[in-house]
Amino acid sequence: QVQLVQSAAEVQKPGASVKVSCKASGDSFTTYYFFWVRQAPGLGPEWMGVINPGGGTTTYAQQFQGRITMTRDTSTSTVYMELSNLRSEDTAVYYCARGGTYGRWVWFDPWGQGTLVTVSS
Amino acid sequence: EVVLTQSPGTLSLSPGERASLSCRASQSIRNSYLAWYQQKPGQPPRLLIYGASSRATGTPDRFSGSGSGTDFTLTISRLEPEDFAVYFCQQYDSSPLTFGPGTKVNIK
Repeated sequence: QVQLVQSAAEVQKPGASVKVSCKASGDSFTTYYFFWVRQAPGLGPEWMGVINPGGGTTTYAQQFQGRITMTRDTSTSTVYMELSNLRSEDTAVYYCARGGTYGRWVWFDPWGQGTLVTVSS
Repeated sequence: EVVLTQSPGTLSLSPGERASLSCRASQSIRNSYLAWYQQKPGQPPRLLIYGASSRATGTPDRFSGSGSGTDFTLTISRLEPEDFAVYFCQQYDSSPLTFGPGTKVNIK
């Protein structure tokens, strides 16, 4: 059973960047796609993008194009999400999740524990 | 983009009662590519249902999903104390993947 462990909470200033990591253990890292989803306080989750850990190819949600970069390190079974030019509206809990089956457009299972990113001057 | 609307926003019920949660899509979702998640405070969402009606591993059988096209329902046959939480639907038929705003099930 795969487990996803994310990096610790971060506080960043407006205009800065943040890079969140997600380490997978317990299963074949390259079999399924990995996703990033964020959730602002009191709101529903918001899909940010997906990475194929095998080839490294990515697809991003349009609203993050130009500001987001997803990468992976197969040697450590870790995926990363970097978001640049942060603004206060980016304050949220950021989750990584693995696809529940093979493919880009799937459900999410399991999820990481979440990383709170706070953007404040 | 497929917009998902969930109703009601809040549902106040007592343990042992039946809960019916609705998820409506702005356009037809092919192949019933819809999932349901449960979220408790301070925790990530947990998958309950995928494919509109298939229970995920570990999902109790008091949870059931139904529906097709644009109208989907999550039913909890008899609420247990641990079922009071927020429930989200998610479509994975098309990009961008989208979630509903959630239904909070409160203890009455």
